[in-house]
Amino acid sequence: SQQGEEDPQALSIQEGENATMNCSYKTSINNLQWYRQNSGRGLVHLILIRSNEREKHSGRLRVTLDTSKKSSSLLITASRAADTASYFCATGMDTGRRALTFGSGTRLQVQP
Amino acid sequence: GAVVSQHPSWVICKSGTSVKIECRSLDFQATTMFWYRQFPKQSLMLMATSNEGSKATYEQGVEKDKFLINHASLTLSTLTVTSAHPEDSSFYICSARRALNQPQHFGDGTRLSIL
Repeated sequence: SQQGEEDPQALSIQEGENATMNCSYKTSINNLQWYRQNSGRGLVHLILIRSNEREKHSGRLRVTLDTSKKSSSLLITASRAADTASYFCATGMDTGRRALTFGSGTRLQVQP
Repeated sequence: GAVVSQHPSWVICKSGTSVKIECRSLDFQATTMFWYRQFPKQSLMLMATSNEGSKATYEQGVEKDKFLINHASLTLSTLTVTSAHPEDSSFYICSARRALNQPQHFGDGTRLSIL
């Protein structure tokens, strides 16, 4: 079953602007991951943040995690047309054999 | 590193045909591989989890006899859609993971179209 809900469902911005996507989840987690999916392709892992971390950076990406609110955000700074894709958050547990549970995704369109 | 190859990328076949999709981890050993299904503009839905050398664990509502999964080695898992019908048309994506606290790495997916 879906755990994560992402907001907004779709986002359209101009090149150079920042894009912020939010993800909420329901159960306890060990980690939260963000993935990007270009149309008709597989998913590319962007960043993993553990439950004991609050913020993580990777290049133009900044991810925050608030376990008390069960929410995370992904910020893409200085967006480029090539950032156009769907972005999914996924929650994971380190124990057991459980796979990731994916959110519904945000479709980002960056206008050149 | 951490490249996952999925083959074929696109299959079109007649109803009643069985289709095999391969998922390979090219530069690492995957203790666990996962199979997902994705409908247009929707999220990924987990179908099954497979560990090398053991039977796959299927999610509720996924028919084991319809979607056969074999995980013969630490670098290869296969999904066979048996006697495929038009309602099986979808985008199937596999992923592989080195260990429990490691990220999953995804293949590029297989678009299956059943006529």
